[in-house]
Amino acid sequence: QVQLQESGPGLVKPSQTLSLTCTVSGGSISSGSYYWSWIRQPAGKGLEWIGRIYTSGSTNYNPSLKSRVTISVDTSKNQFSLKLTSVTAADTAVYYCARDACSGGSCYWGHYFDYWGQGTLVTVSS
Amino acid sequence: QSVLTQPPSVSGAPGQRVTISCTGSSSNIGAGYHVHWYQQLPGTAPKLLIYANSNRPSGVPDRFSGSKSATSASLAIAGLQAEDEADYYCQSYDSSLSGGIFGGGTKLTVL
Repeated sequence: QVQLQESGPGLVKPSQTLSLTCTVSGGSISSGSYYWSWIRQPAGKGLEWIGRIYTSGSTNYNPSLKSRVTISVDTSKNQFSLKLTSVTAADTAVYYCARDACSGGSCYWGHYFDYWGQGTLVTVSS
Repeated sequence: QSVLTQPPSVSGAPGQRVTISCTGSSSNIGAGYHVHWYQQLPGTAPKLLIYANSNRPSGVPDRFSGSKSATSASLAIAGLQAEDEADYYCQSYDSSLSGGIFGGGTKLTVL
């Protein structure tokens, strides 16, 4: 059973960089044709996909965040990470990491998130 | 403003059947991209409920079913139980955004 766990600071100052790491257990991050995604959810609001990475290093980002986001992977540690620069109060949210599977066996039809971490609250405040 | 539109809330009595709609456009659901559904119980992470329009992951009761047509999709929950009270989100892919998109979520209340 694949498990994901987010870690990182729970408080970040405005204009600084938010950094989170997701540790994958129960399987190798490199096995299978999976991407690895970050998703966030402001309190009382809906889900927003931030971006994803393949173990080759290939990335896709939400256009609304692309200029501020970097997702990287460390296969030796079975981890992938998120960096979000120039944060503001609007970036306060619960951040989830998730395994990202191609739908119908082909990414042509899109993708979905079959395993999720428990989430970590990041508050942007001075 | 979410790219996929869901009703903010639905409700039903125990044992009843409810449906939750998810309306998209020609750049996402209408383009043929698959729709997926998630259940989020209070204070927990979302859980995959339906993938690729109508498939249930192992362990999801067959009371939950999904369907898709044209530019919309639906999640049906039969035989409502108190434990089904949660937020439900649809998700797909949008070609104009080149990424995953979610609906705004629907809160299900079991009366």
